Amino acid sequence: GENVEQHPSTLSVQEGDSAVIKCTYSDSASNYFPWYKQELGKGPQLIIDIRSNVGEKKDQRIAVTLNKTAKHFSLHITETQPEDSAVYFCAASRVYDMRFGAGTRLTVKP
Amino acid sequence: EAGVVQSPRYKIIEKKQPVAFWCNPISGHNTLYWYLQNLGQGPELLIRYENEEAVDDSQLPKDRFSAERLKGVDSTLKIQPAELGDSAVYLCASSLERLAGGHNNEQFFGPGTRLTVL
Repeated sequence: GENVEQHPSTLSVQEGDSAVIKCTYSDSASNYFPWYKQELGKGPQLIIDIRSNVGEKKDQRIAVTLNKTAKHFSLHITETQPEDSAVYFCAASRVYDMRFGAGTRLTVKP
Repeated sequence: EAGVVQSPRYKIIEKKQPVAFWCNPISGHNTLYWYLQNLGQGPELLIRYENEEAVDDSQLPKDRFSAERLKGVDSTLKIQPAELGDSAVYLCASSLERLAGGHNNEQFFGPGTRLTVL
């Protein structure tokens, strides 16, 4: 089955700096790669996703890149703000079997 | 539009007691998922429903866990008897029917039920 590894497990940046979170996956048939943000006491919320036929996708300060050959994808957050502080999860899915990474706790210091 | 609703938000029980969690998905979403989230980990799928049919329950520990979605809308997840290791957050998610062409749909998560087994 699919195995998703996520790095780093914790990330601390100054407000205004960029943050990058990286994930690798094992199943070359995976074709859908969402990123979720989870705040304390809440469920994960989708912030951006990418499908295997696209190499990059951007939405304001958030972008995701996908390298199918190397089987890795990354989340980039620019101009970070304190409200970006949360746990971020990557996931990979072939059909319905979505597998999540272990999460990255991002702290943005004012 | 209301999101995925779960109750209770918190539950504390003693080991060997039964417990049940309830989920109401987003209106019109016929796919419903139950996930287990241990502290510091990502969600792990327990069971997936397509309408009232459990189409993937391979990760559900069937000796003590059960689930139902009788009318294809809301769902209940039960643990009987609960063990210390069951302490975790139980998340419910829902999505629309899979898109034509095989594309996956976004999963919308509820706030979860935090279970503590003493």
